[in-house]
Amino acid sequence: DTAVSQTPKYLVTQMGNDKSIKCEQNLGHDTMYWYKQDSKKFLKIMFSYNNKELIINETVPNRFSPKSPDKAHLNLHINSLELGDSAVYFCASSAHNGRNTEAFFGQGTRLTVV
Amino acid sequence: DAKTTQPNSMESNEEEPVHLPCNHSTISGTDYIHWYRQLPSQGPEYVIHGLTSNVNNRMASLAIAEDRKSSTLILHRATLRDAAVYYCILRDDFGNEKLTFGTGTRLTIIP
Repeated sequence: DTAVSQTPKYLVTQMGNDKSIKCEQNLGHDTMYWYKQDSKKFLKIMFSYNNKELIINETVPNRFSPKSPDKAHLNLHINSLELGDSAVYFCASSAHNGRNTEAFFGQGTRLTVV
Repeated sequence: DAKTTQPNSMESNEEEPVHLPCNHSTISGTDYIHWYRQLPSQGPEYVIHGLTSNVNNRMASLAIAEDRKSSTLILHRATLRDAAVYYCILRDDFGNEKLTFGTGTRLTIIP
């Protein structure tokens, strides 16, 4: 059983399109995250949700809109895709907020905008 | 989040122990020290974390200096599968919802 699963694994799309990436965790965790890893392999947080409530929005363009229908899911919708959005996007979850918890990451979604 | 400093890269021979250092001279008293690693084409993976005492788990050991300004991740017997980028991260309650990744140490295992 995959703890944190993302779909799709690969996504190739044209500029200007709208696309979604789905994330599900079966760990019963309260907190979920989206991270972006750019071409230089730098990992940066985008969003964090706790019990379906947005906690962190790290100056991400408003073309990116996370949606959390329930605690187990955090989807990422991207409008009007741009070339610079090409990256690997990772979903993660942890049991609760706090410095004494570990996070579990999905395998990533490689988004290529052409 | 307090900053950590790690070497950009390290090499180790297979089946030898590996000591990955991390400096965190601005650590606060309540920061936990976390280590994650990212294998090629995979998501980050939790390795270990601790506060003051040394910690052991099935993957690694974490040795924390007495003044907590540095720590060392110890892989007791490196295998080729341990080749990855290792991240040392400080986690506090004031940014606790996120892990702030630096550039990490790229570990190469030599067969």
